[in-house]
Amino acid sequence: GENVEQHPSTLSVQEGDSAVIKCTYSDSASNYFPWYKQELGKRPQLIIDIRSNVGEKKDQRIAVTLNKTAKHFSLHITETQPEDSAVYFCAASDNAGGTSYGKLTFGQGTILTVHP
Amino acid sequence: DTEVTQTPKHLVMGMTNKKSLKCEQHMGHRAMYWYKQKAKKPPELMFVYSYEKLSINESVPSRFSPECPNSSLLNLHLHALQPEDSALYLCASSQVGGLAGELFFGEGSRLTVL
Repeated sequence: GENVEQHPSTLSVQEGDSAVIKCTYSDSASNYFPWYKQELGKRPQLIIDIRSNVGEKKDQRIAVTLNKTAKHFSLHITETQPEDSAVYFCAASDNAGGTSYGKLTFGQGTILTVHP
Repeated sequence: DTEVTQTPKHLVMGMTNKKSLKCEQHMGHRAMYWYKQKAKKPPELMFVYSYEKLSINESVPSRFSPECPNSSLLNLHLHALQPEDSALYLCASSQVGGLAGELFFGEGSRLTVL
């Protein structure tokens, strides 16, 4: 089955700095890679995702890059703010399109702390 | 409506109790999921229903019994749980087919087993 490794497990930055979280996956059939943000006591919420036919996707301060050859993808947050503090999970799935559904394999999570 | 609604938000039960967690969505999604999450750990998949049929059971103990009465509802029946079953139980839904993949999570039911 799929295995997703996520690093670092904790990340502490100053407000305004950039933050980068990296994930690697094992199954070359995976073709959908979402990132979820989970604030304390809240549900995981999708913040950005990328499909395998795209190398990079950006949404305001958040960007994700995908290297299919190396089987890794990264989350980049620029101009970090204290409200970005949360646990971030990467995930991989081989079901984007077709007739199957969202069986995601999650990374172990990164606790991001943004200091004012 | 882009919400997945879970009840109850909090549940405390003894090891001999029987209780149920409920989940509802009105997004027309035909896949529904139960995940278990411990603090600061990723969600762990328990069950997947696709078109109201159980498609995946991730070797979950029989003290957890899922049920999908219709395309909008998903239940998780709990019986004879252990203290280590205390966790946040997340329901999620998604489309099936097409550009499937995005999971919509509910707020979760926080379960404490005494």
